[in-house]
Formats: sequence, structure tokens, C-alpha cells
Amino acid sequence: DTGVSQDPRHKITKRGQNVTFRCDPISEHNRLYWYRQTLGQGPEFLTYFQNEAQLEKSRLLSDRFSAERPKGSFSTLEIQRTEQGDSAMYLCASSRLSGNTEAFFGQGTRLTVV
Amino acid sequence: GENVEQHPSTLSVQEGDSAVIKCTYSDSASNYFPWYKQELGKRPQLIIDIRSNVGEKKDQRIAVTLNKTAKHFSLHITETQPEDSAVYFCAETGGSYIPTFGRGTSLIVHP
Repeated sequence: DTGVSQDPRHKITKRGQNVTFRCDPISEHNRLYWYRQTLGQGPEFLTYFQNEAQLEKSRLLSDRFSAERPKGSFSTLEIQRTEQGDSAMYLCASSRLSGNTEAFFGQGTRLTVV
Repeated sequence: GENVEQHPSTLSVQEGDSAVIKCTYSDSASNYFPWYKQELGKRPQLIIDIRSNVGEKKDQRIAVTLNKTAKHFSLHITETQPEDSAVYFCAETGGSYIPTFGRGTSLIVHP
């Protein structure tokens, strides 16, 4: 599968612990997005990168969340001091800068905070 | 994008019937409107999209219409089949290049 890949697929962590997720976008895609999805809801925007630059962050994003894309390729999303309310599916998507700008999603990382 | 409203939240049809899902948006700069299908436990996948310079687009049993003046767009599925059962999301993208999604419509096609 040469699409967007995310790791891990599932993560169970205790409240208060830190977690980090990884996203590998499609190689020629400059844009990378992180979304959060809870049951019965649509994907909720978290943050957006164009190459290595983080251009947008959701106003709803707690300061416990941080994301990086150091070389403009893979990205990591870290959640510090996890809370039960952080339990969700974290989706990564990538797209081209121009031409066909369809966003392709990864399989997601399902986080459960106990 | 700013805000996308999607209706209905649940849609139940008999196999062979048509299904229509509607979305409205508020950002005048929106110019790209994709629709995604998400099956249980799987990633959202694009099924059709439309750009603001087009009023309608069709791909086999699926069509999308766009009314930029009224700021609404719709997904139409004809001759529904049980494998069409899934959650469908509309989205819009404007000058920020960030897709904003609706809350989803759970489509159930009864055989």
C-alpha cells in the first residue's frame, strides 16, 4: 500500500501519560493534515502543514497537543498529559499543492485513554 | 472553510431507491467540495468531488450538484445497493486549503 500510513493503529494509555503518533504521507504530497474523529462525528481539523511549515492550528487545539514535520515528509503528533477526553481516532491526510488536490486519508490511530 | 451543515444524520432506504444528502456552507471563498465515504472501521475515501466553476458532476450512480449562490451542495445516489451502506461526509475547502467536514450521514440500504 503506497498510500498514507499511520503508526500505531491502536494505542491504549493511562491518563497523564504522553503519546506520540506518526504519519507518513504520500511521497509527492506537500500538504499534510491532522484530524480527530469521535464516534458519530466528522473529522475535526487539528493542524495543517505545507512542507515543513505548520501553517494552521485549530483554535480548539489544547496546548498539550503539538505536531511537527521536520523535513517536510513524515509528521508526528504528540499529546502530553493525556485525558480521557482525548480518546478518539486520529486521522492524518495528505494532498498535492496543485492539480488534483484530493486529500487522501491514512487508516488512523485509535487512542484510548484509561 | 468555516462551518458545514449536513443533513440528514441518518438515511434509511430500500435497495434500488435513490438517496440524497444535503450540505450547506458559509465561507464565500469555498471552491472545492469533495464527498467521502467511510465504511465501518475504515478510512474516509473520496467518491466524488466538484469545483466551484461547475454546477453538476456525475459518475455512474453518483452525482453531485452545487449551488454557489445558495451555498449548498448535494450528493445523489441512484439505484442504491446494500454495499452503499456507510457514513458519507461532505466537505468544503476554501482559501485556507483545509477541508472542513460535515458531521456525516449514516446511509443504510435495506436489501
